[in-house]
Amino acid sequence: QQQVKQSPQSLIVQKGGISIINCAYENTAFDYFPWYQQFPGKGPALLIAIRPDVSEKKEGRFTISFNKSAKQFSLHIMDSQPGDSATYFCAASILLFSGGYNKLIFGAGTRLAVHP
Amino acid sequence: GEEVAQTPKHLVRGEGQKAKLYCAPIKGHSYVFWYQQVLKNEFKFLISFQNENVFDETGMPKERFSAKCLPNSPCSLEIQATKLEDSAVYFCASSQFGSGGYEQYFGPGTRLTVT
Repeated sequence: QQQVKQSPQSLIVQKGGISIINCAYENTAFDYFPWYQQFPGKGPALLIAIRPDVSEKKEGRFTISFNKSAKQFSLHIMDSQPGDSATYFCAASILLFSGGYNKLIFGAGTRLAVHP
Repeated sequence: GEEVAQTPKHLVRGEGQKAKLYCAPIKGHSYVFWYQQVLKNEFKFLISFQNENVFDETGMPKERFSAKCLPNSPCSLEIQATKLEDSAVYFCASSQFGSGGYEQYFGPGTRLTVT
């Protein structure tokens, strides 16, 4: 019930194309869904996050779409660039009564390669 | 500081030796989390702290792993009697307490190699 399933495992996109990564979860108690970007040898960096009270959130070229009834959310990268080539992780967490969020449950990651 | 700091960057230990990793959270952040990333990129939660108090230790292999967050000191994660399977990158993350500042910010990680 704690699992977050992510697909695809790897993705190749041409420069300027749209990259789409999908995640699904089972635990309906999750109420915070961040996406992280990780380059080789670096720590994960927060890209964008969403809470279930909205269906879409956009920041620059990055958009999260959220479908609460289907328990699915996805990351769209518009106008993908070679510099976007990295591993992307979706995650989920639960709001603590004391404020802040509990541990992150990560998906397995998607290795994105954007070809020039 | 404005970034989570982790030391050392790399650590090599023979099987059975002790390993100790350190994490300095972002100043003002009250929550510290430790995660283990193994070769297939999978992240595993180990333990979290709220200030110096253990908040959630459900991911810790308690027989060999221990962790502390003491006032005015970096947090630490210690592995007694390391095993080959402990080889991984260990990440520390920190977040604020209270509404409006709940993002987790990760450090650069410590790569532990057990030979």
